[in-house]
Amino acid sequence: DAGVTQSPTHLIKTRGQHVTLRCSPISGHKSVSWYQQVLGQGPQFIFQYYEKEERGRGNFPDRFSARQFPNYSSELNVNALLLGDSALYLCASSLYANTEAFFGQGTRLTVV
Amino acid sequence: QKEVEQDPGPLSVPEGAIVSLNCTYSNSAFQYFMWYRQYSRKGPELLMYTYSSGNKEDGRFTAQVDKSSKYISLFIRDSQPSDSATYLCAMEGNTGGFKTIFGAGTRLFVKA
Repeated sequence: DAGVTQSPTHLIKTRGQHVTLRCSPISGHKSVSWYQQVLGQGPQFIFQYYEKEERGRGNFPDRFSARQFPNYSSELNVNALLLGDSALYLCASSLYANTEAFFGQGTRLTVV
Repeated sequence: QKEVEQDPGPLSVPEGAIVSLNCTYSNSAFQYFMWYRQYSRKGPELLMYTYSSGNKEDGRFTAQVDKSSKYISLFIRDSQPSDSATYLCAMEGNTGGFKTIFGAGTRLFVKA
């Protein structure tokens, strides 16, 4: 069974650009969450989606947005990139909203 | 004050030792408590998941939750060099919208 898959694995963008990160959950999982992890810190919660509805939002600016598609895959969009957005972006999926979450390997975003 | 506090370590122990990892939290709305293990440049891997207070055991790992003290622990028995990783506690609850909050992670080294 395939785990959570994220694409791309690495990405370099210039300040001010836009980026889209993608996540495919484990088959049958209906909840997807997004996290930002800066080196040396724990993951910071960005969004949680369940059944295509936003269920939770962390303390991130409006430049960050996300959506979940009918097949439960998800996209995270970040506009007007800043140097401080450089981080590992993690996606996690779970069967329902409050059950065990499984993480993908992440997308490493570098903003130059 | 952070919602979840976790000593970043590093914690260094000899092979075979019992390891105790801990987190404290401030928000009584948290109901779900998780421990993740993260190897360098990888996504977090779920180790233990508990709901509310109590103990849970899985092989060499035991998780304890004390909601009255807002304190959770992970014990690792017979520690192995392969246990060397960063251990992250995480908590979830309806805190004005559902969100999962991670600790900063404790870096563990098990010496052979």
